[in-house]
Amino acid sequence: DAKTTQPPSMDCAEGRAANLPCNHSTISGNEYVYWYRQIHSQGPQYIIHGLKNNETNEMASLIITEDRKSSTLILPHATLRDTAVYYCIVSNTGRDDKIIFGKGTRLHILP
Amino acid sequence: DGGITQSPKYLFRKEGQNVTLSCEQNLNHDAMYWYRQDPGQGLRLIYYSQIVNDFQKGDIAEGYSVSREKKESFPLTVTSAQKNPTAFYLCASSIAGPYNEQFFGPGTRLTVL
Repeated sequence: DAKTTQPPSMDCAEGRAANLPCNHSTISGNEYVYWYRQIHSQGPQYIIHGLKNNETNEMASLIITEDRKSSTLILPHATLRDTAVYYCIVSNTGRDDKIIFGKGTRLHILP
Repeated sequence: DGGITQSPKYLFRKEGQNVTLSCEQNLNHDAMYWYRQDPGQGLRLIYYSQIVNDFQKGDIAEGYSVSREKKESFPLTVTSAQKNPTAFYLCASSIAGPYNEQFFGPGTRLTVL
């Protein structure tokens, strides 16, 4: 079973910020939070990951709560191309740990 | 360009036939993975390999086999023992271990008739 909980779907207006929540209440100290997205019928694409601190790259920002039990992926200015399924994953730094993809959040960007 | 290639994009087979899906990467990654995805579902891990000539079963390995004779290649065979093989199959690779960013191929959609 996935170690994360995400809403099954969300809508966001084009040009607005999309905020995708993820709960990972059982996360352990050495586990990272990863976000991937999958556009229809394509392979997933890595977005961002973090451990404790907030992270930002050219695609998105990742906000992790102080207790690390939840996080939010922020797409600052959503476009129609951001319509996809977004997966939140926790994975530790051990070599034998397996990434478990849950069902993710289906994000619809509305024109 | 560096990346992962999977071929073919669409594959049709008759029930009872074995079929091999190709996965090649030129990213010099040590680790490679095979996932299965059913409609409306997340990805499930079939097999993974962290080094040449070594691989481990994932969560749903029954009915599948793999080999890792070369660093660049990780073919997946769907055998006749797999009860419901029709699915979307995705290959991925990473630097070392699953905790690093995984790069995915475009996928192969297998339909067994």
